[in-house]
Amino acid sequence: EAQVTQNPRYLITVTGKKLTVTCSQNMNHEYMSWYRQDPGLGLRQIYYSMNVEVTDKGDVPEGYKVSRKEKRNFPLILESPSPNQTSLYFCASKVGAGEVGYQETQYFGPGTRLLVL
Amino acid sequence: GEDVEQSLFLSVREGDSSVINCTYTDSSSTYLYWYKQEPGAGLQLLTYIFSNMDMKQDQRLTVLLNKKDKHLSLRIADTQTGDSAIYFCAESEDDYKLSFGAGTTVTVRA
Repeated sequence: EAQVTQNPRYLITVTGKKLTVTCSQNMNHEYMSWYRQDPGLGLRQIYYSMNVEVTDKGDVPEGYKVSRKEKRNFPLILESPSPNQTSLYFCASKVGAGEVGYQETQYFGPGTRLLVL
Repeated sequence: GEDVEQSLFLSVREGDSSVINCTYTDSSSTYLYWYKQEPGAGLQLLTYIFSNMDMKQDQRLTVLLNKKDKHLSLRIADTQTGDSAIYFCAESEDDYKLSFGAGTTVTVRA
């Protein structure tokens, strides 16, 4: 089954304790992206990646890191989480432009709800 | 996102048409999208339109684009209870870096 998976789905942590949220897709997509969703603000893009070893900042990259060492995985790293990073996080992937089967549809993971105390 | 604005709530009677409005500021927007989010789920792309189009129809969905006013709307004909969700407008220049609106919560009442 084609899907985007995220782990963990729920996480409670404390300020300053490094954490990683994993994202994996089994559709061989070149493009992957991370978003955070906050009430009244909608989704805001954190980082995106157009291919292995190619990453770019979205609108709200501060406080986050990403890496894209393999095509299927795109982990989101919070080196020193703070309470303002409490949010619902979504990972997404899609076929890249120029690839066979390109389409505008992004496939979203189920979300990771993070609470930073 | 601050560059994309939508009204926050819409209540509609079952069987009526729903119209969700969105405005954006970036004149270089090439792709304009409508996403749907059901409770507890991620987003799914409903439809999209290119900036060189005025209208796109897909079954019960009609998208209208007024590029001069930077205004996008989504009309859902014959609204059903399954259409209750949050609808997000989004725009992108390159189909990679997207800016989303805050979302419109649509409630369908019997």
